[in-house]
Amino acid sequence: KQEVTQIPAALSVPEGENLVLNCSFTDSAIYNLQWFRQDPGKGLTSLLLIQSSQREQTSGRLNASLDKSSGRSTLYIAASQPGDSATYLCAVRGPSQGGSEKLVFGKGTKLTVNP
Amino acid sequence: NAGVTQTPKFQVLKTGQSMTLQCAQDMNHNSMYWYRQDPGMGLRLIYYSASEGTTDKGEVPNGYNVSRLNKREFSLRLESAAPSQTSVYFCASNLRGGEQFFGPGTRLTVL
Repeated sequence: KQEVTQIPAALSVPEGENLVLNCSFTDSAIYNLQWFRQDPGKGLTSLLLIQSSQREQTSGRLNASLDKSSGRSTLYIAASQPGDSATYLCAVRGPSQGGSEKLVFGKGTKLTVNP
Repeated sequence: NAGVTQTPKFQVLKTGQSMTLQCAQDMNHNSMYWYRQDPGMGLRLIYYSASEGTTDKGEVPNGYNVSRLNKREFSLRLESAAPSQTSVYFCASNLRGGEQFFGPGTRLTVL
């Protein structure tokens, strides 16, 4: 059974710092991995989707990498801003979930960027 | 293009009452999902529909029923609400194997 872990559960950094959020998964046979952000009281917003054949994806100040063989993904945020404060979740899609249409989510990392 | 919409935004029920949560997407997506999110438990899949006319159980289906009314709409019904069903409910959708998009959520309290 696929399990997704995000460590740390919470992270606090000063504004302007570059930071890395981690996501690990137990079954490397995945189709893709998706990063989301969730603001308090809101739904999840998709940030990046990385296919299993890709090593990384970039969107603005965000860069997500994927190392399937080691079961890891990282989300790099450059020059962090207070507006980046949110909970960041990763989710994987793969055959071990009993179907290609189900995602398995981590519990997220709560990021606080202090002015 | 509204994306994924959910109604209602908030709801308070008494134990034993029934209600239906509505979800619609305008992105021509094949797959639709219902999740619940609880503190400390993360997101848990209740039911999903990989295509119009099909539905499958997720991790926590007990106490819920779903209907994939057409390609756009996927509803979640609580037949006899219980306090344990107090949660935030999210609907989501994607093209097969593609990026998943979420609705804004329904905050349900069962007294």
